Amino acid sequence: AQSVAQPEDQVNVAEGNPLTVKCTYSVSGNPYLFWYVQYPNRGLQFLLKYITGDNLVKGSYGFEAEFNKSQTSFHLKKPSALVSDSALYFCAVRDEANFGNEKLTFGTGTRLTIIP
Amino acid sequence: EAGVVQSPRYKIIEKKQPVAFWCNPISGHNTLYWYLQNLGQGPELLIRYENEEAVDDSQLPKDRFSAERLKGVDSTLKIQPAELGDSAVYLCASSSGQTFTDTQYFGPGTRLTVL
Repeated sequence: AQSVAQPEDQVNVAEGNPLTVKCTYSVSGNPYLFWYVQYPNRGLQFLLKYITGDNLVKGSYGFEAEFNKSQTSFHLKKPSALVSDSALYFCAVRDEANFGNEKLTFGTGTRLTIIP
Repeated sequence: EAGVVQSPRYKIIEKKQPVAFWCNPISGHNTLYWYLQNLGQGPELLIRYENEEAVDDSQLPKDRFSAERLKGVDSTLKIQPAELGDSAVYLCASSSGQTFTDTQYFGPGTRLTVL
């Protein structure tokens, strides 16, 4: 069964500092990995995804994520945090071994707070 | 391009009452999903449609929940009767359905409160 873990419920970062939001996954086949952001009273907005190829994926709003197969991780990063980055972040995985089942499995989310 | 549209945005009802949520996916997207998001949790899939066919409804509580996607475009999710535990955000998402690596795009959700 596919699963994803976000080990930190809350991450606080000072404005201008680099940020990292952690995600680890478990799949039977190859993983397809996604990051979404959710602002208050809004739906999930797609940030980036890893399908294959370069392990460093660049996405919206200056975010990037690094796929690490040996550590089964897909951490979200940004070099310099903005106050407007404060939101709830979700990592999600789809297992290639479940081809035909489009189900995305989400983590429990990490609340990122950027401190001015 | 318009995103996924959902209505209503908020709904407050008494327990045992019926309620319905509506979703209009991104134009041209053949695959439509309904998710349930409890407070402090990630979304959980309720049902997935490929065009008008429900291809995965294994997580849909069929005793009280029903869904339809007539003509393969708009979709409606219904709860009858609602229970206190149904209070949550109901999210609709769509994808093109072209490949297994498709991105799902989400609507703003409907926040349901059952009193």
